[in-house]
Amino acid sequence: DTEVTQTPKHLVMGMTNKKSLKCEQHMGHRAMYWYKQKAKKPPELMFVYSYEKLSINESVPSRFSPECPNSSLLNLHLHALQPEDSALYLCASSQELAGGADTQYFGPGTRLTVL
Amino acid sequence: GQNIDQPTEMTATEGAIVQINCTYQTSGFNGLFWYQQHAGEAPTFLSYNVLDGLEEKGRFSSFLSRSKGYSYLLLKELQMKDSASYLCAVMDSNYQLIWGAGTKLIIKP
Repeated sequence: DTEVTQTPKHLVMGMTNKKSLKCEQHMGHRAMYWYKQKAKKPPELMFVYSYEKLSINESVPSRFSPECPNSSLLNLHLHALQPEDSALYLCASSQELAGGADTQYFGPGTRLTVL
Repeated sequence: GQNIDQPTEMTATEGAIVQINCTYQTSGFNGLFWYQQHAGEAPTFLSYNVLDGLEEKGRFSSFLSRSKGYSYLLLKELQMKDSASYLCAVMDSNYQLIWGAGTKLIIKP
């Protein structure tokens, strides 16, 4: 089973709202990722967690706040977003962060619209 | 800098064969991945190459030449459902994926 789940599938929020995206995997993977993808562009890496610790933050604005409560869950807390933050937010997981051949498996994504 | 090039768009006929090329220049190399992505959906893993040569998986094959910084994805017996974007991604020396912009493949009946 290579399933990564994400909720919600769609989210519409105003610029003053606070919301959270959730991601879950039960494959025993120890690395989890958040990507942002705009239409017709490849995914852009935002954050990487390895063994529940933040390993990589790709200079993402503080209005995006990741959290890894345990090895199966990854959240992305959103606050005071801008309309240009509207995108598909993808969660992915892999066995290890620096395992060489470790494939990243993606969840179905959350389509976020900021009004 | 790091760079991955692949054609923006390709068109092929149902039942035919198509080859999608990818060239790369990255700081380090820990493997090359191909993903398929249907519009509005998540990328789905297709193949991984780290050694030179051809990896075959059903209708899909992927080839790698590290000395040339070159890979291709070969799709045989094309079906309409193969209409999608195909993303080439290289894992660099920091084990981060560097993504190409993707090739949109259009299949015509």
